[in-house]
Amino acid sequence: DIVMTQSPDSLAVSLGERATINCKSSQSLLHRSNNRNWLAWYQLKPGQPPKLLIYWASIRESGVPDRFSGSGSGTDFTLTISNLQAEDVAVYYCQQHFNTPVTFGGGTKVEIK
Amino acid sequence: QVHLQESGPGLVKPSETLSLICSVSGGSVDNGYWAWVRQTATKGLEWIGRRHVTGNDVHNPSLRGRVTLSVDRARNEISLTIDYVTAADTGIYYCARDTGLVLPRWLDVWGQGTRVVVSS
Repeated sequence: DIVMTQSPDSLAVSLGERATINCKSSQSLLHRSNNRNWLAWYQLKPGQPPKLLIYWASIRESGVPDRFSGSGSGTDFTLTISNLQAEDVAVYYCQQHFNTPVTFGGGTKVEIK
Repeated sequence: QVHLQESGPGLVKPSETLSLICSVSGGSVDNGYWAWVRQTATKGLEWIGRRHVTGNDVHNPSLRGRVTLSVDRARNEISLTIDYVTAADTGIYYCARDTGLVLPRWLDVWGQGTRVVVSS
């Protein structure tokens, strides 16, 4: 299985500041078939289902605010939340779909400082 | 817009079978692949598997053959059963739409989730 390792486990950021979440995969997620990274990001709030934020590592899902951005390639990826808002408090997960079984990172909890 | 709603027993005894239903509205189960993901205290988010109405499915080997996925076209529902459950199967179970065709991709529509506790 591809192991997805997120860091940090949690972080506290002031409103309006930037939150940076890292995700590292145990093997490259860059697929030769389409030269894209087979990685997605989700937001999970208590009592709500996971929400897709980013796919193909850097493409924002429709309706997701542009303060959310994804970057990276190969084995190292980043989710950046610019201008953090109160409603962004959540746990964030990366997910690889390069191989089955699909696997998720352990999650990063974002709080307000 | 597709909407998913899970339902299930809430409490299951150890060694028994867990059965969950996911009702699909606003769309047809014929259109695409459907996945199950669970959130547990020990493993975080764990992909259980996915299935197409044609029967093409794949499961997570970590569940050691205990999983059955099915799609009911008449009821427009997706179902999940897990046999011989243990406390490790306690968690929140989500159904979701998999945007992939031949291979799994990201999950763009999720149900609200249903909580399952395995306890005697």
